[in-house]
Amino acid sequence: NAGVTQTPKFRVLKTGQSMTLLCAQDMNHEYMYWYRQDPGMGLRLIHYSVGEGTTAKGEVPDGYNVSRLKKQNFLLGLESAAPSQTSVYFCASSYRQGFGELFFGEGSRLTVL
Amino acid sequence: AQKVTQAQTEISVVEKEDVTLDCVYETRDTTYYLFWYKQPPSGELVFLIRRNSFDEQNEISGRYSWNFQKSTSSFNFTITASQVVDSAVYFCALTYGGSQGNLIFGKGTKLSVKP
Repeated sequence: NAGVTQTPKFRVLKTGQSMTLLCAQDMNHEYMYWYRQDPGMGLRLIHYSVGEGTTAKGEVPDGYNVSRLKKQNFLLGLESAAPSQTSVYFCASSYRQGFGELFFGEGSRLTVL
Repeated sequence: AQKVTQAQTEISVVEKEDVTLDCVYETRDTTYYLFWYKQPPSGELVFLIRRNSFDEQNEISGRYSWNFQKSTSSFNFTITASQVVDSAVYFCALTYGGSQGNLIFGKGTKLSVKP
């Protein structure tokens, strides 16, 4: 039972470098989300997708891009990393209906120096 | 605006004490769902409960209970006879018709249960 898998789990970047976080789910969920978690801020939505080939902006989308080329995968990209993007990133997926429980990955800790 | 407020940033109790975590929400929608998630020190997010806006019945699951009151827009969570393993950050969250399933999270309450 893999559920939602995020790679990598940890990454250190220098300012200006680029990277991609991969989220994979094996539950055939339509909806997928990327959140970031910062101390005292709870979780904030970066981008989300309501199905293969679709993406939409969330609360804090600036500096990030996403793609959903396959239903099971949702990629989060940082084109030019900034120290403000140091955070823990969580991917989640949910049922088609959209009111279902969100299933979260284990998180990816990103540090930008 | 859609919003979730968890006014308690940190709570510290001694094992076996009862503790209530407060959650107040705001939404204009009549159809919405409320959630509680637990984030233990290991970091993963664990689903605890989902409640829809049409069901105000309280729920009990072992030592956990939830009190949903639409009149006060609250969805409070009580742990009875707390244990050290309950130490975690607890998040209350809201989703509604226009949110595309996105959860709006409160900022979380850090619960520390001391032996």
